[in-house]
Amino acid sequence: RKEVEQDPGPFNVPEGATVAFNCTYSNSASQSFFWYRQDCRKEPKLLMSVYSSGNEDGRFTAQLNRASQYISLLIRDSKLSDSATYLCVVSHGNEKLTFGTGTRLTIIP
Amino acid sequence: GAVVSQHPSRVICKSGTSVKIECRSLDFQATTMFWYRQFPKQSLMLMATSNEGSKATYEQGVEKDKFLINHASLTLSTLTVTSAHPEDSSFYICSARVHLNPYGYTFGSGTRLTVV
Repeated sequence: RKEVEQDPGPFNVPEGATVAFNCTYSNSASQSFFWYRQDCRKEPKLLMSVYSSGNEDGRFTAQLNRASQYISLLIRDSKLSDSATYLCVVSHGNEKLTFGTGTRLTIIP
Repeated sequence: GAVVSQHPSRVICKSGTSVKIECRSLDFQATTMFWYRQFPKQSLMLMATSNEGSKATYEQGVEKDKFLINHASLTLSTLTVTSAHPEDSSFYICSARVHLNPYGYTFGSGTRLTVV
């Protein structure tokens, strides 16, 4: 079983729609959680950290459920520029990051 | 701020040759640099962790004699792929922890290596 699992997609979503991604992790000792965004052939860029209380940044909302070892990302009012691969990333507190394979999102005009 | 400059961005080399990839932290000191590899449609996989002034720590299955890492200063880490083979063709990317932000990792722009 992979340490971080995501639905690879692709998700093809019309502009303006709401889309949600899920991610599960296997190591219950994981301490830090992130969503990164990666555009084609580019480096990953931090989208947001994920906290147990949930956090929101503009159109993006992230949730963490430690009991279920589950992380989610919600994108509201999707824009064409949101098209990218979204990476679920987990850290065990030793600075090493473990990446999921990513969920590919395409926003359709 | 907190930029990691990675070079080259793309390299094509012949089988059996060696390729050096550099990552420089431009406006901060990176005591630790992480080296990842990403094959098409796969996730980033950590290869090794380099620490300034000491030997790198390699992940299981990564050959330390093939992937030479040098972190001689607080602003420069290098990865040398020795005796490259076509199966080494991949996207190599470095990352450094930005200590001003406890959750900040900044990535280099990546190096796309093609071995022919």
